[in-house]
Amino acid sequence: GAVVSQHPSRVICKSGTSVKIECRSLDFQATTMFWYRQFPKQSLMLMATSNEGSKATYEQGVEKDKFLINHASLTLSTLTVTSAHPEDSSFYICSARQGGYEQYFGPGTRLTVT
Amino acid sequence: TQLLEQSPQFLSIQEGENLTVYCNSSSVFSSLQWYRQEPGEGPVLLVTVVTGGEVKKLKRLTFQFGDARKDSSLHITAAQPGDTGLYLCAGDTSGGGADGLTFGKGTHLIIQP
Repeated sequence: GAVVSQHPSRVICKSGTSVKIECRSLDFQATTMFWYRQFPKQSLMLMATSNEGSKATYEQGVEKDKFLINHASLTLSTLTVTSAHPEDSSFYICSARQGGYEQYFGPGTRLTVT
Repeated sequence: TQLLEQSPQFLSIQEGENLTVYCNSSSVFSSLQWYRQEPGEGPVLLVTVVTGGEVKKLKRLTFQFGDARKDSSLHITAAQPGDTGLYLCAGDTSGGGADGLTFGKGTHLIIQP
């Protein structure tokens, strides 16, 4: 149980284009979903918290207009990186919370912006 | 911003040895999780500790939450090459899991056969 998927697993895009990443909880309804970013050799950094049907809460320093989050249902959240630049290249990981303390993480999406 | 200090950052030991990883903070956490992450994959939850002084065991892994809920440790007994990986501690201050987690920088563990 508590499986979270992400799609795509890898994406390469050109600078200036937008990329959408999907995060799905496969066998449970997620009250809250979270988006993290991880640069090489570094730990995970929280970007935003997303509750179904409401606006996402972004961490300080994360541009809400650049990283658009939509949490349309209790099993799906999407992160759109708009006007991507090479410095946005990173490993993006989502997690979902079923209701308790635990967060279950997706397998991550490797974004490379050329 | 809460800060979780994790140590050591790198550890390479021989198979069969014991080791301890520490996670310390000046903040009080309502819960603390330990994860293991393989390269190119998302973190996998190992354990959640909630109560101060709590000790949980997962086979050869022993997790402890400090009495003040500001620190935690992971002890591995008789380490095996399969234990190699990145171990992350992550704390939650929200009181119910509503907030995102604050992660430590991780401990890169290598167990040599």
